[in-house]
Amino acid sequence: GAVVSQHPSWVICKSGTSVKIECRSLDFQATTMFWYRQFPKQSLMLMATSNEGSKATYEQGVEKDKFLINHASLTLSTLTVTSAHPEDSSFYICSARGEGGYGYTFGSGTRLTVV
Amino acid sequence: RKEVEQDPGPFNVPEGATVAFNCTYSNSASQSFFWYRQDCRKEPKLLMSVYSSGNEDGRFTAQLNRASQYISLLIRDSKLSDSATYLCVVNMMESNFGNEKLTFGTGTRLTIIP
Repeated sequence: GAVVSQHPSWVICKSGTSVKIECRSLDFQATTMFWYRQFPKQSLMLMATSNEGSKATYEQGVEKDKFLINHASLTLSTLTVTSAHPEDSSFYICSARGEGGYGYTFGSGTRLTVV
Repeated sequence: RKEVEQDPGPFNVPEGATVAFNCTYSNSASQSFFWYRQDCRKEPKLLMSVYSSGNEDGRFTAQLNRASQYISLLIRDSKLSDSATYLCVVNMMESNFGNEKLTFGTGTRLTIIP
């Protein structure tokens, strides 16, 4: 079945630094990638949607200059958290959808802790 | 009003019991519906899609009532391995951008007690 590989699975970084999270679709072409954030005991909140080769569409309240999304190829999308702060500590998950596909395949998530 | 509402629980249920979860959604334009399961510190995994006619997969039965904008999940003969958070998920097409968007409920936490 469809697999999305997400790395790193966890990261601890210092406040002010940037962190890049990668999601790769291993056996299908991900025409659309969704990036979510989940705080403890809360639901997944959609941050942005990106279509391959296009600029990402950000949800209301999500700073596009802080959360940089690149979806330059059909198998790779990245989320960069720039100038991370402790309040950015969260569980970040990507989800990919292939062209004509019905389902959404989730990455295994990245637990970011900013100290 | 939240777009997708669920009772957060927790539900503590003895092994072998039947448990039901409910979910309501606010957008009548929603197109497809799912139940996902999420284990602690893991990504959500699709449990089953939900169809208007109702559908069953082993011990799991899902129902959709579009008129009431209500979705349910029934788990029969619950197992210890069913302990997880169950997420009600609704898919809709955004009219502005033509993108599909999954909206997640906050989840209902289930613990099966031996």
